[in-house]
Amino acid sequence: QSALTQPASVSGSPGQSITISCTGTSSDVGEYNYLSWYQQHPGKAPKLIIYDVDNRPSGVSNRFSASKSGITASLTISGLQAEDEADYYCSSYTSSSILYVFGTGTKVTVL
Amino acid sequence: QVQLVESGGGVVQPGGSLRLSCAASGFILSQYGIHWVRQAPGKGLEWVAFIRNDGSKKYYAVSVEGRFTLSRDSPKNTLYLQMLSLSAEDTAVYYCATRGPLTDFDYWGQGTLVTVSS
Repeated sequence: QSALTQPASVSGSPGQSITISCTGTSSDVGEYNYLSWYQQHPGKAPKLIIYDVDNRPSGVSNRFSASKSGITASLTISGLQAEDEADYYCSSYTSSSILYVFGTGTKVTVL
Repeated sequence: QVQLVESGGGVVQPGGSLRLSCAASGFILSQYGIHWVRQAPGKGLEWVAFIRNDGSKKYYAVSVEGRFTLSRDSPKNTLYLQMLSLSAEDTAVYYCATRGPLTDFDYWGQGTLVTVSS
């Protein structure tokens, strides 16, 4: 089971919007809505920011939104802020024996 | 509130073993399933293992199957990851995370570093 594919890096200026893609297969992203996104700052644990494709946990900024179409999921960060600079990972439940697969990770840089 | 604290990491020689702990507070282990996820230095996240809340089933990644074992101590509200036959490829920060009230991986511990080196 390979990791889900994400772009290595995405950048944007403050106030702009950026989108991160997460591409899987018909056995994971394409089959299940157990699709989540995480934000990880350097030296810190990942933090859940989106679950079940497009739901935000309490306390997560509404500048984070997400969607899914077929085997590709997307995370959009609107009104980019300096504090959004971090690594972002997606994850999906999978029908394979490994249960869950993570994305390769995307480094977001705020210019 | 839900809190997870990992411990037990350290430096171990290739072929050695180590037992990691994940101490839970704010909930009882029988309420939530627990995942282990690891992150090699400078690399991405890798799912390692999962135990259901009732302890009835355990799942392992192919890369650790047969070498890693999950167990738990209910009175201590603590989960353990016994790791055997360690190699350099197991070097990583190991996190435990809940299958909690929202979804899988909704709460994370701070992680514990395992370094396999001679």
